[in-house]
Amino acid sequence: GAGVSQSPSNKVTEKGKDVELRCDPISGHTALYWYRQSLGQGLEFLIYFQGNSAPDKSGLPSDRFSAERTGGSVSTLTIQRTQQEDSAVYLCASSLVGHGPYEQYFGPGTRLTVT
Amino acid sequence: DAKTTQPNSMESNEEEPVHLPCNHSTISGTDYIHWYRQLPSQGPEYVIHGLTSNVNNRMASLAIAEDRKSSTLILHRATLRDAAVYYCIRLPLGGTASKLTFGTGTRLQVTL
Repeated sequence: GAGVSQSPSNKVTEKGKDVELRCDPISGHTALYWYRQSLGQGLEFLIYFQGNSAPDKSGLPSDRFSAERTGGSVSTLTIQRTQQEDSAVYLCASSLVGHGPYEQYFGPGTRLTVT
Repeated sequence: DAKTTQPNSMESNEEEPVHLPCNHSTISGTDYIHWYRQLPSQGPEYVIHGLTSNVNNRMASLAIAEDRKSSTLILHRATLRDAAVYYCIRLPLGGTASKLTFGTGTRLQVTL
């Protein structure tokens, strides 16, 4: 079946502009995660959605970052007034449920470059 | 994240078995051991996970020490496609979100 998809695959934006990144999780997966990975760095958790529960936003680096998940499916990560340090690969993952030993399926990521 | 320790890099010849070690000496009784890998320019990919018993799937085997303080990911016949960074992670059994945090992992190089 279809995996996790993300769009766009690449985004170049000027400093100060807003960007929206989209994630389509696997159908039926109730948990959705956003991560980012800077060049040569490990994975950094950003935000987590589980069903209709309030999202876990504990990983968002600043109030310029926000995310929503509509209808328990598609999610959008928004970065306002982008800064050069926001340049990274933004990864979305989904899993059947959020807690416990369920594997996470990752999308190909969106490479964001802020100039 | 000091919860797991892995060698920075390993090399293998194609078609040979590879044993990737991971130390997790402070693991709690309710933590699962997960392995993910990341091929160049791709998102991470789930490989395998286990709790106490050894596990096998189509991709690999996971051997867990009896005291659970270490584990070994086994690729039975390495191929060039297995060249990736492999991450060993501890995740709680339940109750909280499974937020993945990758350390530096082990970069596996596979040669002909």
